[in-house]
Order: sequence, then structure tokens, then C-alpha cells
Amino acid sequence: DAKTTQPNSMESNEEEPVHLPCNHSTISGTDYIHWYRQLPSQGPEYVIHGLTSNVNNRMASLAIAEDRKSSTLILHRATLRDAAVYYCILSRRTGTASKLTFGTGTRLQVTL
Amino acid sequence: GAVVSQHPSWVICKSGTSVKIECRSLDFQATTMFWYRQFPKQSLMLMATSNEGSKATYEQGVEKDKFLINHASLTLSTLTVTSAHPEDSSFYICSARASGTGDTEAFFGQGTRLTVV
Repeated sequence: DAKTTQPNSMESNEEEPVHLPCNHSTISGTDYIHWYRQLPSQGPEYVIHGLTSNVNNRMASLAIAEDRKSSTLILHRATLRDAAVYYCILSRRTGTASKLTFGTGTRLQVTL
Repeated sequence: GAVVSQHPSWVICKSGTSVKIECRSLDFQATTMFWYRQFPKQSLMLMATSNEGSKATYEQGVEKDKFLINHASLTLSTLTVTSAHPEDSSFYICSARASGTGDTEAFFGQGTRLTVV
């Protein structure tokens, strides 16, 4: 599986935008970029995913570099409830549901 | 509402006993489910892939005779930790994805915290 690299931790002030980077230099053409987050003592939660184009949803935006070797998850206005571990994961398109391999993720701290 | 429901949320058991954890897909039929384990301050580690109607596929280093997986229907997978010991205490999480492509989101259960005393 292609690997991703994320900073161990980041900090943000509440109400400010947050840009969470992810490097995936060995990504293949059929790999989708997924982002999940995990709040304490809970299972992970889907945030967003994309292939080549930038994506937006109610939770966040995903900016994908033109060469696809990196991506950035953007939280437009961080709140205290966004404090979590954010995982960037590559998911290969196959004929069946493919497994997700979690890295160490980025622990986001949000302060007042 | 929850798309994947996991039960129980927590369980305490005595060393040497077995514990069963259920994972249900509520909104779609899941031919494949995944079981993860997470130790404190660590990331999720995939244990096995549960396949409906066939044997589970275990990741390297995971004992298949200790962690029994049954996926008897398209909406239910179970993980049984047999002869549990304190080192099996962990947070167990299941996941399901709709089959077909790699661009579907994965849904996760709320997790089961197992404590073996």
C-alpha cells in the first residue's frame, strides 16, 4: 500500500482556518485520497475523499496537488469539536471493498 | 444516525473467558467488513477482513484461532476474542464499506473497549 506522511500534531485557534497537509509521493493512478478523523474514545468518522479534483462538502475541503503527490484538508473555521486525530489514507480502487490502512495521523488541538 | 452499529460499547471479562463483539451494517449490505484494534495513544491496526459466506482474511501476526470472525449475513459480522488475557485489552473497531469501487466512504462502529481482568 502506498504510504502517507502527516505531521504528528498541529494547533489552531478557534474560528480560524486549518490546513492539514499530507504527503503521498508514491500514490498510484487508481488511489483515492481519503480523510477520516477520530475523536477520543470513538470510531473514526469520514471527512472527505477525492481522486484528482478539489472537493468540498459540509465538513471540509480537500485540495489535491496537480501531481497528486500531496493534499491538504482544509477546515474553514475550526471549532473545539474539531479537535481530533486526522488521518489521510490512500484507498485503491478494486472490484471489492478495499481495506483502509491507518498511519499515525495528525493530532489537531483547537484552543480558544 | 449510525450506519454501522457495534455492540457492546464496553465489556469487562475475566481472564480465560471469551468475548463476542457484534458489528452490524444498518444502511447497506456489506459483503466485506473490517476489524481493527487500537491500543492507547496508537493508531488503528487492521486485524482482519471479514467476508460474508467465506473465511476471514487475517493480517500478518494476528492469530486466527484467537480472534474468531464470523460473517454469516450481509449485515452482521462478529469478532470473538477467545481465552482472553489482559494483553488483549484494547479498543476494537469494525468498519464496513459498500462494495464495488475504492471511492466509497468507510463507515465505522463506535468501538468496543475490552478490559480483561
